Amino acid sequence: DQQVKQNSPSLSVQEGRISILNCDYTNSMFDYFLWYKKYPAEGPTFLISISSIKDKNEDGRFTVFLNKSAKHLSLHIVPSQPGDSAVYFCAASGRGANSKLTFGKGITLSVRP
Amino acid sequence: DSGVTQTPKHLITATGQRVTLRCSPRSGDLSVYWYQQSLDQGLQFLIQYYNGEERAKGNILERFSAQQFPDLHSELNLSSLELGDSALYFCASSPNPQTSGGDNEQFFGPGTRLTVL
Repeated sequence: DQQVKQNSPSLSVQEGRISILNCDYTNSMFDYFLWYKKYPAEGPTFLISISSIKDKNEDGRFTVFLNKSAKHLSLHIVPSQPGDSAVYFCAASGRGANSKLTFGKGITLSVRP
Repeated sequence: DSGVTQTPKHLITATGQRVTLRCSPRSGDLSVYWYQQSLDQGLQFLIQYYNGEERAKGNILERFSAQQFPDLHSELNLSSLELGDSALYFCASSPNPQTSGGDNEQFFGPGTRLTVL
């Protein structure tokens, strides 16, 4: 049973426009939600996170929104840049002994110049 | 550079063999996590160590084992290897999740690509 779902395998956007990456989860016990970016042959790189007690967290061009009632989160990238082209993973975790990350399958973002 | 190092970068071996993957966490991080990324399964949690002790286990096969040493580096041992064990193995580290006050960020190493022939 997949607890974190990224239902769209890919997204293509024009440079300068907004990229919206979506993620759904089923486990209401998750405390933290994180987004990672991954290039081929590299490890995932942490981008931004949000605690379950918040509904928005912003860091530069990246904003994560959390809708707990819908068990849905999204990552907004604005403006999108060609260097943002990568695979983006949504992940969720609990605390302490439940701090392992549960990942979605990822979405490939392509930003067209 | 995340500060997490993993060796070797690539490993090619035969079925039935045993290999050891090594991970050095970021300076000061007490928790080490191991993940497996295969083509069809995505990133899957294997096991977590905190300050030398096993903290949590995921879907780790009995043929696999891990440990964290007093200097906090960790090793993942894979034995009786099968073709299906071919994957990318990532190590991640984080500060003490209960005192960091942060959002449980984990910092990943570059991974070890294991190919079993």
